[in-house]
Amino acid sequence: DAGITQSPRHKVTETGTPVTLRCHQTENHRYMYWYRQDPGHGLRLIHYSYGVKDTDKGEVSDGYSVSRSKTEDFLLTLESATSSQTSVYFCAISPGQGHEQYFGPGTRLTVT
Amino acid sequence: AQSVTQLGSHVSVSEGALVLLRCNYSSSVPPYLFWYVQYPNQGLQLLLKYTSAATLVKGINGFEAEFKKSETSFHLTKPSAHMRDAAEYFCAVSDQGAQKLVFGQGTRLTINP
Repeated sequence: DAGITQSPRHKVTETGTPVTLRCHQTENHRYMYWYRQDPGHGLRLIHYSYGVKDTDKGEVSDGYSVSRSKTEDFLLTLESATSSQTSVYFCAISPGQGHEQYFGPGTRLTVT
Repeated sequence: AQSVTQLGSHVSVSEGALVLLRCNYSSSVPPYLFWYVQYPNQGLQLLLKYTSAATLVKGINGFEAEFKKSETSFHLTKPSAHMRDAAEYFCAVSDQGAQKLVFGQGTRLTINP
């Protein structure tokens, strides 16, 4: 298995609070991704990173920000959590073009 | 924009029967194509990938998929279903030169004893 961990694995938070999810890799891969998974929508890309301090938006980036200060860590922040952000969040990594992405175990976030 | 369509959100087959999960993509150039499997409460695991080599791709757990450019399809098959194949399956596509995957909505496979 690719060395990807996500923390926390489960979180319950209240509407309006900030939340940060962490993805950590031990593979030294260049690309890192954050997705959310919701029934009927498959996986949708939130943000991705193509290097330290290099990030770009995905298709559902509103309400989310990311940071990558080290190769191994990619943080996803919900600036002010809303109930619509209740979801399962997956991190993925990839060495680059034409290569598959490897997924972490996921974080289940509930916003009440 | 690139898109992926998986026909059938739920597929049910009997143990030992053929499994066929359908995936069609939209792309003007030959893409990279992937099938992933997700077991309950787990992340996605790569089953197989097509990257412009052989059009028939063999993956793990006895699955295979055939790239058909004329039909813009990449259907997943397995000759004989096993109970352990019950899971959700996702097709994904990436344009050459792009670093992002676009996923289909997923197909939940149920195996009946």
